[in-house]
Amino acid sequence: AQSVTQLDSHVSVSEGTPVLLRCNYSSSYSPSLFWYVQHPNKGLQLLLKYTSAATLVKGINGFEAEFKKSETSFHLTKPSAHMSDAAEYFCVVIREDSNYQLIWGAGTKLIIKP
Amino acid sequence: ETGVTQTPRHLVMGMTNKKSLKCEQHLGHNAMYWYKQSAKKPLELMFVYSLEERVENNSVPSRFSPECPNSSHLFLHLHTLQPEDSALYLCASSRNSAAPYEQYFGPGTRLTVT
Repeated sequence: AQSVTQLDSHVSVSEGTPVLLRCNYSSSYSPSLFWYVQHPNKGLQLLLKYTSAATLVKGINGFEAEFKKSETSFHLTKPSAHMSDAAEYFCVVIREDSNYQLIWGAGTKLIIKP
Repeated sequence: ETGVTQTPRHLVMGMTNKKSLKCEQHLGHNAMYWYKQSAKKPLELMFVYSLEERVENNSVPSRFSPECPNSSHLFLHLHTLQPEDSALYLCASSRNSAAPYEQYFGPGTRLTVT
């Protein structure tokens, strides 16, 4: 069955250091993948999307993700963390048999230390 | 006003009340969605509308009643709710539901049922 696994429930980094949030997926076909961010008590904001074009995808707020088919991964990175990046991040894939049913990862809480 | 807006942002209601949640999208999209987000649980898709026609009803209890008068507006009518219905209700929209387009979310309505 299709799935999305976020490998860390919490990631803690110091401000100004790189961020890596890991996501692995399982899919029979070339999937459509997204990263969403949710700040406390806020809705979900689309960070970036992969839809079978360039494998390195740039998003908002300096984030980017690389689609690696051989590793079935779609990790989210940022070169330098900012305090405002503290939030929960969700890796999401569109279900193969539906164009709108989303399969959500469990989320990774990003903590930024001053 | 841009993106997807939701009102009210917070709602407290008794189990015998009737209330409505409102969602409006300013993106020119043709598909709209209601989701329920409960603590420690994955996002649950409730309803999907495409071109004002309901295309998905994900086994949601009848105490939740959606309405989509046009492609920009979506309502969720609530009556005789239970305490376990307390959650963050999120509205989303996408270009259409027939292709794997990304979904854009509103800020949510935090519902508390007393």
